[in-house]
Amino acid sequence: ETGVTQTPRHLVMGMTNKKSLKCEQHLGHNAMYWYKQSAKKPLELMFVYSLEERVENNSVPSRFSPECPNSSHLFLHLHTLQPEDSALYLCASSPRASGNTIYFGEGSWLTVV
Amino acid sequence: GEDVEQSLFLSVREGDSSVINCTYTDSSSTYLYWYKQEPGAGLQLLTYIFSNMDMKQDQRLTVLLNKKDKHLSLRIADTQTGDSAIYFCAEYNQGGKLIFGQGTELSVKP
Repeated sequence: ETGVTQTPRHLVMGMTNKKSLKCEQHLGHNAMYWYKQSAKKPLELMFVYSLEERVENNSVPSRFSPECPNSSHLFLHLHTLQPEDSALYLCASSPRASGNTIYFGEGSWLTVV
Repeated sequence: GEDVEQSLFLSVREGDSSVINCTYTDSSSTYLYWYKQEPGAGLQLLTYIFSNMDMKQDQRLTVLLNKKDKHLSLRIADTQTGDSAIYFCAEYNQGGKLIFGQGTELSVKP
């Protein structure tokens, strides 16, 4: 139990589908993150939310759409993805958006076919 | 620029010590971290060290920091097969960004 829970753990979707990844943190943190982990690449920071406001968006294609309805929940809405988007998507949280230890969830394995 | 580098693979025998090395470029880093990722799982925070420290020990783990050379290492004593995983070094710089290395895959052979 990491305190950061992601669902689903595995997702297979077609390029025309719309799906969502969900993340919930039980740590009372104010900041939440989406990272992408592809094989043989460093972790890529995708989005940062602080108190439900997006504070960073690292040139992520619009086919990825984040949503943070409250400080405990974070979604990543997916539509018209490409096979190269197949990766492990990691959600994380920290007490604040800067200068704090980040705690990760178990990740959602996404395969785009 | 911001860069964190690690060797990609390390293989040790069970019972030996493992030393995983990391170099970073941002001399203003405040915190440096080690995360562990087991197969099919997310990143688990193992330990971290503040930049004004040069050593931190936590049970079988010893972190050494050489600020002059911008070198961080993680030593695992009495390495077990359950320690087989990918270990990520990360630096938290003053810009507020957490920069990860590519990870070192530790293989522990019985």
